[in-house]
Amino acid sequence: SQQGEEDPQALSIQEGENATMNCSYKTSINNLQWYRQNSGRGLVHLILIRSNEREKHSGRLRVTLDTSKKSSSLLITASRAADTASYFCATDDYKLSFGAGTTVTVRA
Amino acid sequence: NAGVTQTPKFQVLKTGQSMTLQCAQDMNHEYMSWYRQDPGMGLRLIHYSVGAGITDQGEVPNGYNVSRSTTEDFPLRLLSAAPSQTSVYFCASSRTSNQPQHFGDGTRLSIL
Repeated sequence: SQQGEEDPQALSIQEGENATMNCSYKTSINNLQWYRQNSGRGLVHLILIRSNEREKHSGRLRVTLDTSKKSSSLLITASRAADTASYFCATDDYKLSFGAGTTVTVRA
Repeated sequence: NAGVTQTPKFQVLKTGQSMTLQCAQDMNHEYMSWYRQDPGMGLRLIHYSVGAGITDQGEVPNGYNVSRSTTEDFPLRLLSAAPSQTSVYFCASSRTSNQPQHFGDGTRLSIL
């Protein structure tokens, strides 16, 4: 069974707007990772946040982690057309488990 | 630096045929894994390996075999293909299981 679940399943925004997606998981984790997948390609790692961290930034990406609620969020600020992709969270207990993903469409 | 290379990119098989999906990495990563991706299901772990000579089952191992004779290669074998194995298969590698994964571009497999 899948550990992480992303919400919403799909998101459509205008270029320049922010995009927020959430990930909920079921059991204790060592870390949580976010990946991006462009259509027809493999997944690309975006950011890793450890269980003792609450927030992490990378460029226009901001990730939060709330271990008490077993949830994480990914915020993409000032979105661009190139951000159109599917985004997955992955949780690590002793192996990575991926959610079903959030499909983000950025309209020009 | 090629990263993770998967071959073939596309394959069509008939039910009952066998084949091997190839995966090679040139980053000297110990951890390698195979996933299948189906619409609405995300990625599901098939098999993984923590080093040469060591493999273990993931979430959906039935119908698949793996071996890891070298650090670089981690082939996935379909013993007798079934239509339910129609999917996109991804190989990934990393230094350890809890480090960022490097993915190949996938093999799109159709079983008729």
